[in-house]
Amino acid sequence: NVLTQSPGTLSLSPGERATLSCRASQSVSSSYLAWYQQKPGQAPRLLIYDASSRATGIPDRFSGSGSGTDFTLTISRLEPEDFAVYYCQQYSSSPWTFGQGTRVDIK
Amino acid sequence: QVQLQESGPGLVKPSQTLSLTCTVSGGSINSGGYYWSWIRQHPGKGLEWIGYISYSGSAYYNPSLKSPVTISVDMSKNQFSLQLRSVTAADTAVYYCARTRTVTNYFDYWGQGTLLTVSS
Repeated sequence: NVLTQSPGTLSLSPGERATLSCRASQSVSSSYLAWYQQKPGQAPRLLIYDASSRATGIPDRFSGSGSGTDFTLTISRLEPEDFAVYYCQQYSSSPWTFGQGTRVDIK
Repeated sequence: QVQLQESGPGLVKPSQTLSLTCTVSGGSINSGGYYWSWIRQHPGKGLEWIGYISYSGSAYYNPSLKSPVTISVDMSKNQFSLQLRSVTAADTAVYYCARTRTVTNYFDYWGQGTLLTVSS
């Protein structure tokens, strides 16, 4: 199941809203989709699982939505620490796959 | 708090066998309910899931991988390992170990990653 993320890069200012898209080539059953944040030199960090459930300790400015083949990660108000690369991952079917990532840059 | 830590040689020559180990602390691999995975990230690229092993020793691998791979577990040391045979430059990547639950397979805990370079 190929995941395609868009846009490739999002240039925004702190305080702005970020909307990231993840589209699957096949339906993701049970909304088995996760979002991760990765900063340079660090491992990915789980943000969202089951499409819309926030992981432990994740601020409520991060939210996930969607079903079927179209999913969205929204960051309501960007904080300086949110500028990073974001990946989606499906675990509905094997092999588990990741999108190619969306980079959120400071404008 | 579960923690995972990768260890490995850093540099291997082409055609050799790569072995990486992930040491788990703060939880037991033998407790069940989880799969223990390897994931890699080529330089400047995205993430690729390699495979997982369960506490029972059952392993599953990503069929799209080109290199032969084996994942094994050592319960006595609370470790699991990745072996890649006949490596090429295309296997140069940061290798992460990570945990997923058996029912919903998102990766909730990750190691910090270890860079493996394949070069003569």
